[in-house]
Amino acid sequence: EVQLLESGGGFVQPGGSLRLSCTASGFTFRNYAMIWVRQAPGQGLEWISGIRASGGETFYADSVRGRFTISRDNSKDTLDLQMESLRAEDTAIYYCARDQYGGDGLARFDVWGRGTLVTVSS
Amino acid sequence: IQLTQSPSSLSASVGDRVNLTCQASQGVRDNLNWYQHKPGKPPMLLISDVTQLEAGAPARFSGSGSVTFFTLTISSLQPEDVATYYCQHYENLPLTFGGGTRVEI
Repeated sequence: EVQLLESGGGFVQPGGSLRLSCTASGFTFRNYAMIWVRQAPGQGLEWISGIRASGGETFYADSVRGRFTISRDNSKDTLDLQMESLRAEDTAIYYCARDQYGGDGLARFDVWGRGTLVTVSS
Repeated sequence: IQLTQSPSSLSASVGDRVNLTCQASQGVRDNLNWYQHKPGKPPMLLISDVTQLEAGAPARFSGSGSVTFFTLTISSLQPEDVATYYCQHYENLPLTFGGGTRVEI
């Protein structure tokens, strides 16, 4: 079964750090570009970061650029999101998702994890 | 590119035809997708590239539109369609989602 499973969420104080992971199974992870999307409480979906299949290029939304770092380990089928200088407005459910057609495109996302909750509060 | 969805929410009856719209602040050609998002579940890709219904999605869902104006139609609303629907473009980066339309029965 094609699956993504996020982990690493939790409670952190403002200014703190957290590292999220997304473990893939059931498909050839190294062939697919990946993204992170978040949903703040009561809000809609927000794309925050993407990475090419090779890991050679990374992309960020303005809201997280300079604070978050996306990376992947194609030998371990894992996608990570290192989050620094966290703010209250980063509180959200964080989802990882796979681009549908493989290769380096960041276009359509057909497989999603169930999400992991990050709460930033003092 | 900003995506504006309307209405933000709607309530309709079972069997009704429902139209959800998504307007882009600039042209996105056919680089537009629709997702269904139910509480407690991950988003699900429903329609890609404006009109392509994903495998397993019910045929009562359809997409149309071009350039800046797009529509998701549910031809006969069913109880299991209660969800929030989001459009998303991939014309360029940053990818963006619309604000969502919440559909209720």
